[in-house]
Amino acid sequence: ETGVTQTPRHLVMGMTNKKSLKCEQHLGHNAMYWYKQSAKKPLELMFVYSLEERVENNSVPSRFSPECPNSSHLFLHLHTLQPEDSALYLCASSHEWDTDLAGANVLTFGAGSRLTVL
Amino acid sequence: AQSVTQPDIHITVSEGASLELRCNYSYGATPYLFWYVQSPGQGLQLLLKYFSGDTLVQGIKGFEAEFKRSQSSFNLRKPSVHWSDAAEYFCAVGAGRAGTASKLTFGTGTRLQVTL
Repeated sequence: ETGVTQTPRHLVMGMTNKKSLKCEQHLGHNAMYWYKQSAKKPLELMFVYSLEERVENNSVPSRFSPECPNSSHLFLHLHTLQPEDSALYLCASSHEWDTDLAGANVLTFGAGSRLTVL
Repeated sequence: AQSVTQPDIHITVSEGASLELRCNYSYGATPYLFWYVQSPGQGLQLLLKYFSGDTLVQGIKGFEAEFKRSQSSFNLRKPSVHWSDAAEYFCAVGAGRAGTASKLTFGTGTRLQVTL
């Protein structure tokens, strides 16, 4: 597989469930991101991992818990979510800290995981 | 703080007609500018980017964009739209330094509908 792969593509969960979203990149990138995409709102950056360390957490509620076990995998663990958390969750990766600035800042996105919280 | 404005929420064009999607940005220095496209049920795909040099940049799928510093704009154009271009288009602005992809700011998007 190439690019950024997200699973599952669709997830329906109750407010008391625990589930996880998975992201895998096969691009040799060293930074990975979680974004939330809701209707009529700009993309919201949730978490950033660079070289497997979390470098950014944009005031995301603790019911979202990221995990980055290695540079190719990123998870978003979900528990006790609210209906307003229903959205498309996008994973992205990039090659940061590279001398080739033409490649910096360029995000490669996965197809997203559509989450519905009942 | 940097910001991006896409004034048109929804645009409809006929197949074969020309297209221009507007993007205005606010940024304190020379920006790095991007256009992404999102087809239904998909993630965002990079169409083109401007880092420096020629202000008219060519992208994939026959798209181009022109950076106009005096107008703080980076409008996306295509001379002849195809039905497969129907999608949502996002403009983004960034700092352009290594390690700053997390500082990208996206616009709210323009949804393009193509009529046959």
